[in-house]
Amino acid sequence: DAKTTQPTSMDCAEGRAANLPCNHSTISGNEYVYWYRQIHSQGPQYIIHGLKNNETNEMASLIITEDRKSSTLILPHATLRDTAVYYCIVRVDKAGNMLTFGGGTRLMVKP
Amino acid sequence: EPEVTQTPSHQVTQMGQEVILRCVPISNHLYFYWYRQILGQKVEFLVSFYNNEISEKSEIFDDQFSVERPDGSNFTLKIRSTKLEDSAMYFCASRETGLAGEGEQYFGPGTRLTVT
Repeated sequence: DAKTTQPTSMDCAEGRAANLPCNHSTISGNEYVYWYRQIHSQGPQYIIHGLKNNETNEMASLIITEDRKSSTLILPHATLRDTAVYYCIVRVDKAGNMLTFGGGTRLMVKP
Repeated sequence: EPEVTQTPSHQVTQMGQEVILRCVPISNHLYFYWYRQILGQKVEFLVSFYNNEISEKSEIFDDQFSVERPDGSNFTLKIRSTKLEDSAMYFCASRETGLAGEGEQYFGPGTRLTVT
């Protein structure tokens, strides 16, 4: 799986958009970009994933650059409950494959 | 909304004892996983399981670990002889299909294992 680089921590004001970047310059053509988050000590929670195109769901939007070397997760209106560690994971999507969690970005949403 | 459940939420055991951690994956899911997270550290993959056999396992998953799907709903992780360093949060996850691009794994709330 391609290596990812994320900032260690970020702050965001409540109600504002949170933009979390991820660099994955060695990504290969068949690797997907997945985002998960972990709130305190809870189980990781799936957010969104994409291959080439931008994606949006009820939780977030994923913007992938045209060269696929980086991506941004956007939480459009961050709330205090979005305070968590956010993980960007790049992987070939084979069924038995593990998710490899790095250090992630600790997002602190402040009132 | 369907979810992965795990029992117990907290297990305390003495070193050398056997423990079984239980998980009920989402009902129509076919792929099952165990991960662990030692306090303050990263989430680490242990094992994946499909069609009643292990698909992939990490170096952590040595002979003292085993997994089983004893019936149509439960998925268990057994640690035969626990060590102090097995103290961690253990997460179960499941995934519906093996189709590429539909690979989101859904995690349970975890079992906190404390070995004394």
